[in-house]
Amino acid sequence: AQTVTQSQPEMSVQEAETVTLSCTYDTSESDYYLFWYKQPPSRQMILVIRQEAYKQQNATENRFSVNFQKAAKSFSLKISDSQLGDAAMYFCAYRRVASGTYKYIFGTGTRLKVLA
Amino acid sequence: GAVVSQHPSRVICKSGTSVKIECRSLDFQATTMFWYRQFPKQSLMLMATSNEGSKATYEQGVEKDKFLINHASLTLSTLTVTSAHPEDSSFYICSAYSLAGAAYNEQFFGPGTRLTVL
Repeated sequence: AQTVTQSQPEMSVQEAETVTLSCTYDTSESDYYLFWYKQPPSRQMILVIRQEAYKQQNATENRFSVNFQKAAKSFSLKISDSQLGDAAMYFCAYRRVASGTYKYIFGTGTRLKVLA
Repeated sequence: GAVVSQHPSRVICKSGTSVKIECRSLDFQATTMFWYRQFPKQSLMLMATSNEGSKATYEQGVEKDKFLINHASLTLSTLTVTSAHPEDSSFYICSAYSLAGAAYNEQFFGPGTRLTVL
């Protein structure tokens, strides 16, 4: 069975600085999707970034980028120029590509605090 | 695009009563909808997966007679918590997925419903 591990329950970063959130996963599949979701105090889940495993190039979305290491089964999220609005819970998620299996497996989350 | 709504956003009920939560995909047809439960400071726990017109698939340990899921159309799924008890108090989140269109190949989440059972 697939598992997703986020080993950092809480992280802090100074405003305008860079922070990296860790995520590792375990799977025997060769093709899959990985996601980072943000959950602010409103509790609305917001997609931050998505990576297809078959793509070697790391995904980027403005200040957010990932370091996808397929062999190491690692998928870390880097937030550059941190802003106060980045403070939230961040969840890493895994999804198989195989047809008919659309459910996500979520990690336990990392709470990010941004210090002014 | 790809907006999912939930109603109500908050509900308080007495122990023993039933509560219905609606999840709607507003601008796309959802092939599949998911229901999650989230306890404070914890991750999302998948309760069940529902496809339009068929019975929901429940995760291990989730009581299907207690958490009734109906997915009557491609834009609406409902979760009914029957004979609610205080331990059912939680934050319930739905998500919707589509094999085409705005929500292709990605789950879009509703804003959640906070259930408090007195």
